[in-house]
Amino acid sequence: KQEVTQIPAALSVPEGENLVLNCSFTDSAIYNLQWFRQDPGKGLTSLLLIQSSQREQTSGRLNASLDKSSGRSTLYIAASQPGDSATYLCAVHNTGKLIFGQGTTLQVKP
Amino acid sequence: GAVVSQHPSRVICKSGTSVKIECRSLDFQATTMFWYRQFPKQSLMLMATSNEGSKATYEQGVEKDKFLINHASLTLSTLTVTSAHPEDSSFYICSARQGGMNTEAFFGQGTRLTVV
Repeated sequence: KQEVTQIPAALSVPEGENLVLNCSFTDSAIYNLQWFRQDPGKGLTSLLLIQSSQREQTSGRLNASLDKSSGRSTLYIAASQPGDSATYLCAVHNTGKLIFGQGTTLQVKP
Repeated sequence: GAVVSQHPSRVICKSGTSVKIECRSLDFQATTMFWYRQFPKQSLMLMATSNEGSKATYEQGVEKDKFLINHASLTLSTLTVTSAHPEDSSFYICSARQGGMNTEAFFGQGTRLTVV
């Protein structure tokens, strides 16, 4: 059974700092991995999708990496801003379903 | 990216009544949609997979008769919470993919259901 774990559960950083969020999964037989952002009381916004054959994807200040063999992905956020404050969720596509981690709640302080 | 619209965003209903939540893919056709439930400060729990023109596939532990799912067209899936009770109060979110299993998933805005 696929399990997805995100560390840390919460993170607080000063504005401008670069940071890394971690995601690990137990079954490497995935189609792809997706990172999402969720603001309080809202739905999910897709940030990056990495196919199983890819090693990284970039969008603006965000860079996501994937090491399928070791079951790990990281989301790198450069030059963090207060507007980046949200919960970040990673999810793996496995047997037609999205399996989610518990999320990392990020607070960027001005 | 593609847009998935969910309605209503908030609903309050009395115990024993039924509530319908709609999920629409606005600019693409979705043969498969997914319904999730999210408890406060927790992650998303997949409830069921909704397939256009056929019965939904429910996850273990999800009551089919309580959570009725209909996927009548390629752009619309509905979740009806029947005979709602306070313990059904939660945040419900739908999702759809534009293509096959290796394509990106897009989510609706979510529906906050409160049963009083």
